[in-house]
Amino acid sequence: NAGVMQNPRHLVRRRGQEARLRCSPMKGHSHVYWYRQLPEEGLKFMVYLQKENIIDESGMPKERFSAEFPKEGPSILRIQQVVRGDSAAYFCASSPGWDGGDTEAFFGQGTRLTVV
Amino acid sequence: AQKVTQAQTEISVVEKEDVTLDCVYETRDTTYYLFWYKQPPSGELVFLIRRNSFDEQNEISGRYSWNFQKSTSSFNFTITASQVVDSAVYFCALSVIIRDNYGQNFVFGPGTRLSVLP
Repeated sequence: NAGVMQNPRHLVRRRGQEARLRCSPMKGHSHVYWYRQLPEEGLKFMVYLQKENIIDESGMPKERFSAEFPKEGPSILRIQQVVRGDSAAYFCASSPGWDGGDTEAFFGQGTRLTVV
Repeated sequence: AQKVTQAQTEISVVEKEDVTLDCVYETRDTTYYLFWYKQPPSGELVFLIRRNSFDEQNEISGRYSWNFQKSTSSFNFTITASQVVDSAVYFCALSVIIRDNYGQNFVFGPGTRLSVLP
């Protein structure tokens, strides 16, 4: 959905560099999710954030990966010291919140990270 | 544990044929939501449908239809009179509640690559 903005769309990094992926949720959305899609695979959950809080990071690799969603500004997924295995498409989704009911998440267009 | 299985890795059909994409899910939750997304070659995810666990009515939207059967934990997707523009990877997903009803998470199937040949 065009409302969730991810940038950059494509990112090339050399091994050992840092990658910063940005996600601006839809207006009024306070929940952000990050997913990773390895080549020829489905999407795997990484982390779920609300403003200034990490709610669930059970899908995040223990090292080199971090995420934040500050009070102001976009959510950032940061990968330090990238390796070739980090090459993937990273999708962000946002939702308006959780009311225990029928909530749809809207996905951005993804950032394709290539590590050379 | 929650899981979504899409047993068909790749399907090829000729234009105008009908095609059904299978989705089987596993969850212990009584309240959950099921989704289908389309990922065309350009890479973005296109939302197609959302269905909650209490609504087993089948749905039709143009050439698309969905068959939700709780008894078999399946949520199959049928495209009638397929077109070349339907060529894409299709993902089935399950939304589950996390952390004591504090939010939700999506579990995706591995996807089915559909090729519609002219």
